[in-house]
Amino acid sequence: GENVEQHPSTLSVQEGDSAVIKCTYSDSASNYFPWYKQELGKRPQLIIDIRSNVGEKKDQRIAVTLNKTAKHFSLHITETQPEDSAVYFCAATPHYKLSFGAGTTVTVRA
Amino acid sequence: EADIYQTPRYLVIGTGKKITLECSQTMGHDKMYWYQQDPGMELHLIHYSYGVNSTEKGDLSSESTVSRIRTEHFPLTLESARPSHTSQYLCASSDRKQGVPDTQYFGPGTRLTVL
Repeated sequence: GENVEQHPSTLSVQEGDSAVIKCTYSDSASNYFPWYKQELGKRPQLIIDIRSNVGEKKDQRIAVTLNKTAKHFSLHITETQPEDSAVYFCAATPHYKLSFGAGTTVTVRA
Repeated sequence: EADIYQTPRYLVIGTGKKITLECSQTMGHDKMYWYQQDPGMELHLIHYSYGVNSTEKGDLSSESTVSRIRTEHFPLTLESARPSHTSQYLCASSDRKQGVPDTQYFGPGTRLTVL
């Protein structure tokens, strides 16, 4: 089955700086890569996703890049704000079942 | 409004009790999932269903059982709760469009404490 590794496990950034989270996956058949943000006590919410037919996708301050050859994908958050503080999860799937990374706790320092 | 609903949101129960966690969705999705998650930690898939009368065990072994008699309803049952079952349980649903996986949406979760 698919195995997703996520790094780093914790990330502390100064407000206004950029944050980058990286994930690698094992199954070359995976073709869908969503990112979820989970605030304390809340449900995971999809923030951006990318499919295997594109290499990059951007939505305002958030971007995701995908390198299918190397089997890794990354989340980039620019101009970080205190409300970006949360746990972020990457995931991958070739079918329907998502395989999640272990999560990255992002703290934005004011 | 289309959403995923879970009840109860919080449950404190004694060891040995039978419990059922409810999950309903009005998203019109055919696929539903149950995850177990300790706060802020990794999501572990414990059960999933591709449609009515279809249920499969997930990647994490669980003593719970599920049923899928109606498309919109996917309850999870623990026959005899134990302190090791203390965790948050998240329900999710998704649909497939034009042959590609679609987004999974999560319910608000049930926080279970077994004393």
